[in-house]
Amino acid sequence: NAGVTQTPKFRILKIGQSMTLQCTQDMNHNYMYWYRQDPGMGLKLIYYSVGAGITDKGEVPNGYNVSRSTTEDFPLRLELAAPSQTSVYFCASSYMTAVGGTIYFGEGSWLTVV
Amino acid sequence: DQQVKQNSPSLSVQEGRISILNCDYTNSMFDYFLWYKKYPAEGPTFLISISSIKDKNEDGRFTVFLNKSAKHLSLHIVPSQPGDSAVYFCAAPINYGGSQGNLIFGKGTKLSVKP
Repeated sequence: NAGVTQTPKFRILKIGQSMTLQCTQDMNHNYMYWYRQDPGMGLKLIYYSVGAGITDKGEVPNGYNVSRSTTEDFPLRLELAAPSQTSVYFCASSYMTAVGGTIYFGEGSWLTVV
Repeated sequence: DQQVKQNSPSLSVQEGRISILNCDYTNSMFDYFLWYKKYPAEGPTFLISISSIKDKNEDGRFTVFLNKSAKHLSLHIVPSQPGDSAVYFCAAPINYGGSQGNLIFGKGTKLSVKP
C-alpha cells in the first residue's frame, strides 16, 4: 500500500552541486507532478507528465529537469543547485485530472542548498 | 499575482466549535475547487471539492460553500476536533498545455483546535 514514494526525505546540497529526487508510484497513474513549497507559501508546480515519454513545464521549471521513461517513475533533476532551490518538494500522481480530487501526494523531500 | 488567496495565515478555534476557513480567487475561468489538508512532515491529502455548478458540498463534518459572484469559497468544519489541527490549502485546477490535472494552491491557513 505504498502510494507515492519519494527519496531522499532530507538532503543538504552545496551550491553548484547536482542531485536527483526520486519518485515512484504503484497506482498505475498516468499523470505525475512535481511541486515545491517554500515556507509560508502554497505549492507551485515545477513539471508534470501525462504519461510515459511526455513531460511539460509547470509554473516554476527553471533550474530543473525531469524524465518519464516508465509509468511508475518520475525523477526530478536539479542541476547547479542554488540557495533559491531550498524548499520542500512533493511528488504527486493522479489517474486522470485533478477534478474529483484524485491527486495523491508523497510525503515530501526537504532540500537545503548552502 | 496570486490567483488563489487565503488571507488568514492562522486560525485558532475551541474544540466543538465551528471552524471557518476562507479562500478567494481572481480567475473567473476556475470552475472547480478543492481543499487539501496537510499535517507536518506529510504530503497534502484531499479533503473535499466543489464544482462551480453547485454552491454547497457536504461530507460529514466538512462543508464547502461557493459564492461565484464574490469569487469566494469557505470550508466549514463542525464540530471542530483537535485532530483537525493542520494546514488547509485551497486549490483550483488550471489548464497547462491541455492538462487540467495541475493545481494552483493558496498559501494555506494553519488551523489549531484547542481541547
